[in-house]
Amino acid sequence: DAKTTQPNSMESNEEEPVHLPCNHSTISGTDYIHWYRQLPSQGPEYVIHGLTSNVNNRMASLAIAEDRKSSTLILHRATLRDAAVYYCILRQNSGGSNYKLTFGKGTLLTVNP
Amino acid sequence: GAVVSQHPSRVICKSGTSVKIECRSLDFQATTMFWYRQFPKQSLMLMATSNEGSKATYEQGVEKDKFLINHASLTLSTLTVTSAHPEDSSFYICSARVITGKGNTEAFFGQGTRLTVV
Repeated sequence: DAKTTQPNSMESNEEEPVHLPCNHSTISGTDYIHWYRQLPSQGPEYVIHGLTSNVNNRMASLAIAEDRKSSTLILHRATLRDAAVYYCILRQNSGGSNYKLTFGKGTLLTVNP
Repeated sequence: GAVVSQHPSRVICKSGTSVKIECRSLDFQATTMFWYRQFPKQSLMLMATSNEGSKATYEQGVEKDKFLINHASLTLSTLTVTSAHPEDSSFYICSARVITGKGNTEAFFGQGTRLTVV
């Protein structure tokens, strides 16, 4: 599986934007970039995913570099409820059992009031 | 989004006994479910892929005779930890793949089961 690299931890203040980076220099042309987050003692929650173009949804935005070797998850206004571990994952574009997701260590986001 | 429900959320069992964890897709059918394990302060590790009506596919290093997986219906997969030992104490999480609109695929996760073996 193509590997991703994320900072171990980041801090933000409430109501401010947060940019969570992810490097994936070995990404293949068909890999999707997925972001999940995990709150304490809960299962992961889907945040956003993309292939080449930037993506927006109600939770966040995903900015993908032109060469696709890095991406950034953007939380436009952090809240205390956004404090979680954020995982950047590459997924092969195939179905069935190949949809298994390989989790790295992720970035622990702390949001200060 | 789709809902995946796990039961129980917490369980404490004695060493040597077996524990069954259920994973249900509440509003969709899941032909494939995935079981993960997460130790404290570590990331999720995939244990096995559960396929409806067929045998599960286990990741390298996961004992299939110890972690029994059954996926008898399109909405239920179970993980049984047999002859549990304290080192099996962990957070077990299931997920299911859902094909959403426009052919996109997403994974939805259960809330996890905290297993403590004493």
